[in-house]
Amino acid sequence: DQQVKQNSPSLSVQEGRISILNCDYTNSMFDYFLWYKKYPAEGPTFLISISSIKDKNEDGRFTVFLNKSAKHLSLHIVPSQPGDSAVYFCAASAMDTGFQKLVFGTGTRLLVSP
Amino acid sequence: SAVISQKPSRDICQRGTSLTIQCQVDSQVTMMFWYRQQPGQSLTLIATANQGSEATYESGFVIDKFPISRPNLTFSTLTVSNMSPEDSSIYLCSVPRAGSETQYFGPGTRLLVL
Repeated sequence: DQQVKQNSPSLSVQEGRISILNCDYTNSMFDYFLWYKKYPAEGPTFLISISSIKDKNEDGRFTVFLNKSAKHLSLHIVPSQPGDSAVYFCAASAMDTGFQKLVFGTGTRLLVSP
Repeated sequence: SAVISQKPSRDICQRGTSLTIQCQVDSQVTMMFWYRQQPGQSLTLIATANQGSEATYESGFVIDKFPISRPNLTFSTLTVSNMSPEDSSIYLCSVPRAGSETQYFGPGTRLLVL
């Protein structure tokens, strides 16, 4: 049973346009939602997160929106740059015996073309 | 931020053999996590490794298959035992970011089992 889903395996966007990556979840107990970015041959790096009590968090070109009633979140990148080309993982977090346990989606490969 | 290194970065192994993956962190941490990412799949938590105690395994993962050592607060190993082609994956270690819901990840070990 996949608790975090990214239904789009890939997304292509032109430089300067907006990239929108989507994520759905099923467990209402998640208290944080995170986005990680992964380049080939590297580990995932944290990009941005949002608490379950908020509906928007912004950091520079990156904004995450959370719709709790729909159990849906999205990552907006604007303007998109070729260096943003990577695999983006959505993750959800819940406290589990003393640590924040992360549950990941399958990732969306973003390609930003010049 | 924590700097995490893993060895080896990649390996090709024969079925039935075992491989030990090392994870080194540049600071002392209580918890370390081991993940697996099978081709096209999400990152899945294998186990949590605390120094001085037995590792805690997630559902579907057992100690006989994935023995873990945690000899000190900066180092851990994960062994993939009696490998089969289904064990071909990227194996990643991570540590929690203090006071945060996020984790820092190592670069991963790409394993191919023939």
